[in-house]
Amino acid sequence: NAGVTQTPKFQVLKTGQSMTLQCAQDMNHEYMSWYRQDPGMGLRLIHYSVGAGITDQGEVPNGYNVSRSTTEDFPLRLLSAAPSQTSVYFCASRERGGLGNIQYFGAGTRLSVL
Amino acid sequence: AQKITQTQPGMFVQEKEAVTLDCTYDTSDQSYGLFWYKQPSSGEMIFLIYQGSYDEQNATEGRYSLNFQKARKSANLVISASQLGDSAMYFCAMRASAGGTSYGKLTFGQGTILTVHP
Repeated sequence: NAGVTQTPKFQVLKTGQSMTLQCAQDMNHEYMSWYRQDPGMGLRLIHYSVGAGITDQGEVPNGYNVSRSTTEDFPLRLLSAAPSQTSVYFCASRERGGLGNIQYFGAGTRLSVL
Repeated sequence: AQKITQTQPGMFVQEKEAVTLDCTYDTSDQSYGLFWYKQPSSGEMIFLIYQGSYDEQNATEGRYSLNFQKARKSANLVISASQLGDSAMYFCAMRASAGGTSYGKLTFGQGTILTVHP
């Protein structure tokens, strides 16, 4: 019953530090995404992947890198953290195709950059 | 470009009453899907209900129904018989037919905070 698992749940970074937010799903979903949630702005797409080895940029990709070496994992890397990256990050997955396919979300990672 | 607008930052409702959360959308695509998610204070995103643009009937899931008015480009969420546990942030989201790409991203509105009073 794991679904989409994100680690860590909370993280505090100093400006300039790097880190990787982990995301894993056990539903064999081909599509995976990273969103950030900021007050008053809903969720915005950072990067997404339509399968292992295939990634693309979303709406707000600057400052973030992704890779997808397996179907299950989709890590998000912050190379040099900035205060503007303070946010709540959600990983999500869904089956390929089908407008109505439900997107399942992880529990989120709350990141503060000082 | 797709856009979702939720004009109600906050709504209040008495327990056991019905409440409508507004959502309007903008897209040039003919084929699209509309979703509602609930985000309680614990932070997780919970899928509630889905409506396809070609669905002739309004979607219903238990106490949730989606009032879909295609000509007005609105997809309001109706919660009947509100419960204290319905207090949460609610997001409307849309996925269009991907415009030639293979993904079809989900675009979210700003959210509405619903507070249910006893």
